[in-house]
Amino acid sequence: KQEVTQIPAALSVPEGENLVLNCSFTDSAIYNLQWFRQDPGKGLTSLLLIQSSQREQTSGRLNASLDKSSGRSTLYIAASQPGDSATYLCAVRPYNQGGKLIFGQGTELSVKP
Amino acid sequence: DAGVTQSPTHLIKTRGQQVTLRCSPKSGHDTVSWYQQALGQGPQFIFQYYEEEERQRGNFPDRFSGHQFPNYSSELNVNALLLGDSALYLCASSQWDRQVYQPQHFGDGTRLSIL
Repeated sequence: KQEVTQIPAALSVPEGENLVLNCSFTDSAIYNLQWFRQDPGKGLTSLLLIQSSQREQTSGRLNASLDKSSGRSTLYIAASQPGDSATYLCAVRPYNQGGKLIFGQGTELSVKP
Repeated sequence: DAGVTQSPTHLIKTRGQQVTLRCSPKSGHDTVSWYQQALGQGPQFIFQYYEEEERQRGNFPDRFSGHQFPNYSSELNVNALLLGDSALYLCASSQWDRQVYQPQHFGDGTRLSIL
């Protein structure tokens, strides 16, 4: 059974710091992994999608990596800003389960001015 | 180009009642998935609809049912509401024949509170 874990559950950093969020999954049979941002009480905004054949994806100050064999992904945020404060969720799309996503519990990030 | 839209945004019900939530997919998408997100948790997959049929279902009781219309919009129905059904209900849409390789797009959700 696929399980997705995100550590830490919460993180507080000063503005300008570079930071890394971690995501691990137990079964490497996945099509891809997706990172999302969620503001309080809101829906999910897709940040990055990494296909299983890829090692990393970049968008602006965000860089996501994927090591499928070890079941790990990281989301690197450069030069953090208070506007980056949100909950970050990772989700995997397992083989043979259609479009179903399995999510971690998220990391709540707070960037202090 | 409108994204995924959900209604209502917030709903308050009492135990035992029934509720219907609605979702319109992003333009060009034909597949709708529903997720339940309890406070402080990641979303949990409820089910997915394509061509007006339930194609896949997560570990949710039969009290949770759905429907998809010819215009691809969808409804989620929950009967005999329990306090534990209080959650944010998220709808996601995709294209059936490309969904495993494309990012999933979500709506802003419906916040359901059970008193």
